[in-house]
Amino acid sequence: IAGITQAPTSQILAAGRRMTLRCTQDMRHNAMYWYRQDLGLGLRLIHYSNTAGTTGKGEVPDGYSVSRANTDDFPLTLASAVPSQTSVYFCASSDSSESYNEQFFGPGTRLTVL
Amino acid sequence: GQNIDQPTEMTATEGAIVQINCTYQTSGFNGLFWYQQHAGEAPTFLSYNVLDGLEEKGRFSSFLSRSKGYSYLLLKELQMKDSASYLCAAGDSNYQLIWGAGTKLIIKP
Repeated sequence: IAGITQAPTSQILAAGRRMTLRCTQDMRHNAMYWYRQDLGLGLRLIHYSNTAGTTGKGEVPDGYSVSRANTDDFPLTLASAVPSQTSVYFCASSDSSESYNEQFFGPGTRLTVL
Repeated sequence: GQNIDQPTEMTATEGAIVQINCTYQTSGFNGLFWYQQHAGEAPTFLSYNVLDGLEEKGRFSSFLSRSKGYSYLLLKELQMKDSASYLCAAGDSNYQLIWGAGTKLIIKP
């Protein structure tokens, strides 16, 4: 693995189903982030984690949950998917959340909720 | 509130110069980032400014004026591969990045 990987690449999901998007980084970065990107809107932060064992809510957290059991993994779960959660989801990481915060992005997951 | 403004779309000619502007309002300020995003791909880092002035990196330069809440990305000697969206992002007081919606740059031969 080099950098950040996300799985799946794309997914079509029925409304009401539970879904977990996976994110793994091998850069030993402390901070990790989940964004959604919708046409005409900027990247919007869903949840973040400044270090393993801690998480925080971003701008649009409703309907999503995260966990950070270790440094490398940061899964995003949709408990009961709704069509408004159709989006492209990007996971990102950075070395520090308290200084220069260049973020490195995974390839994204394209999610469609029907 | 926190806000980033940048033009939605710009068109330029191959070989020319283009300037993409960004204005920002954030609670606190911890640097201004520019990212490039090709269609269907992830954003990739281009530049970072935290002090006023111009940072030059090859064909790309980025400028920051903290007093005006203003930045621009300057792309010289445009190539067809520069066709992409350019995202402006400002770090707020919590070091979270606030993102603009991006400027889609179309390069014509």
